[in-house]
Amino acid sequence: GAVVSQHPSRVICKSGTSVKIECRSLDFQATTMFWYRQFPKQSLMLMATSNEGSKATYEQGVEKDKFLINHASLTLSTLTVTSAHPEDSSFYICSASTTSDRAFNNSPLHFGNGTRLTVT
Amino acid sequence: QKEVEQNSGPLSVPEGAIASLNCTYSDRGSQSFFWYRQYSGKSPELIMSIYSNGDKEDGRFTAQLNKASQYVSLLIRDSQPSDSATYLCAVNTGFQKLVFGTGTRLLVSP
Repeated sequence: GAVVSQHPSRVICKSGTSVKIECRSLDFQATTMFWYRQFPKQSLMLMATSNEGSKATYEQGVEKDKFLINHASLTLSTLTVTSAHPEDSSFYICSASTTSDRAFNNSPLHFGNGTRLTVT
Repeated sequence: QKEVEQNSGPLSVPEGAIASLNCTYSDRGSQSFFWYRQYSGKSPELIMSIYSNGDKEDGRFTAQLNKASQYVSLLIRDSQPSDSATYLCAVNTGFQKLVFGTGTRLLVSP
C-alpha cells in the first residue's frame, strides 16, 4: 500500500520552456502532498505543501509564480516549472501520507520515484 | 532555523558488522522522527519511524530516540553490501513538514 507514482521520471527541456510533473497517490487519497527538491549531494528541501482544492503553501525563498502547483483531486498534484533555467535542473520529488485520524500529523511520508529535470 | 545534523560520511563497515548512524536535531518540540534510505539517483525509502524515547526494532534495524539529548540513531545489524546507500534522518516539525539531514553515506564492503 501507500504507493505514490510520479511522472515523468526524467525530462530534458530547453531554457525558457515549461515542464509539468505529475504526482499520483495510487491506492489512497492524499489531501496533502509535498514537493521537495534535491540538488546533487544535498538533502531534500521542501518547496511547497499542496492541499487538495486550495492554494499551495510555499516555503520561504520558493517563487510561487515560477513553480505552479495544482492539486485538483485527492489523488493528483502537479508541479509546473515555468520558464525553466539551467539552475532549475534538479531532482524533484513528491510525497504524500495516508491519513490516519489520530496519527495524521506523525505519519511518515511516502515518496514518488522522483523526476530528474535537466534544463539545457 | 530548524536543523537536522548528520555526519556525511562515508561510514565504512565490513559485511556482517553493525553500522551506527547518528542524527541530532534542533527543534525540541519535534514529535516524530524517521530514517529513510536513498540509493543514488532514487527517491527516499522509509526504513524506520520512531515517536517515543527508547529503542524500536524492526528486523536488522533498530532506531533509538533520546528527546532530552535531541538525538536519534539507527543501528543496522549484520550489514550487507546491499545496505550501501545514503541514510537520511528526517524530523517532523509539524503538520508533516519534514526537515531532512544531509544524509550519511554508508559503504558496506564484502
